Amino acid sequence: DAKTTQPPSMDCAEGRAANLPCNHSTISGNEYVYWYRQIHSQGPQYIIHGLKNNETNEMASLIITEDRKSSTLILPHATLRDTAVYYCIVRVATGANNLFFGTGTRLTVIP
Amino acid sequence: EAGVAQSPRYKIIEKRQSVAFWCNPISGHATLYWYQQILGQGPKLLIQFQNNGVVDDSQLPKDRFSAERLKGVDSTLKIQPAKLEDSAVYLCASSLIGGNTDTQYFGPGTRLTVL
Repeated sequence: DAKTTQPPSMDCAEGRAANLPCNHSTISGNEYVYWYRQIHSQGPQYIIHGLKNNETNEMASLIITEDRKSSTLILPHATLRDTAVYYCIVRVATGANNLFFGTGTRLTVIP
Repeated sequence: EAGVAQSPRYKIIEKRQSVAFWCNPISGHATLYWYQQILGQGPKLLIQFQNNGVVDDSQLPKDRFSAERLKGVDSTLKIQPAKLEDSAVYLCASSLIGGNTDTQYFGPGTRLTVL
């Protein structure tokens, strides 16, 4: 799986949009971009995934650049409950299907 | 829908002792995973089961770790004997069929402290 690079930490004001960047410059054409988050003392939680098109669900939006070398996870209106470590993972479409977690971005939502 | 259940939530043992963790996946999920998460790091896969067969155990330290999934449902992960470096959170996850776009659902984890 391609490696990803994320900033170690970010702050965001409550009620504002949180934009979490991820660099995956060596991504292959058949690899998806996945986002999980891990709230303190809990297991990781799936957020969203995409291949090349932008995606949106009830939790977040995923913006993937046209060359697919980077992406941004957007939490439109961050709340205190969104404070967590966010992991960007690149995952092959076939073959081994386990998740390779890096160290992620620790997002702190500030009141 | 009930989530992935794990027990115990916390365990403290001394080095060279044995310990076992239990996982009950989401009903109907064929694939079960065990991950190890050391403090400050992301989770790392130890073993993956498809029904009751092992798909990937390449990262499992087989001299001391063992896992089984009897009848393709519940699973246990055992460490014998434990070392100080085994202190970590052990996470169990399950997914429906194990496909590459399958969502993995994680349990709350078992925090192991080895003294």
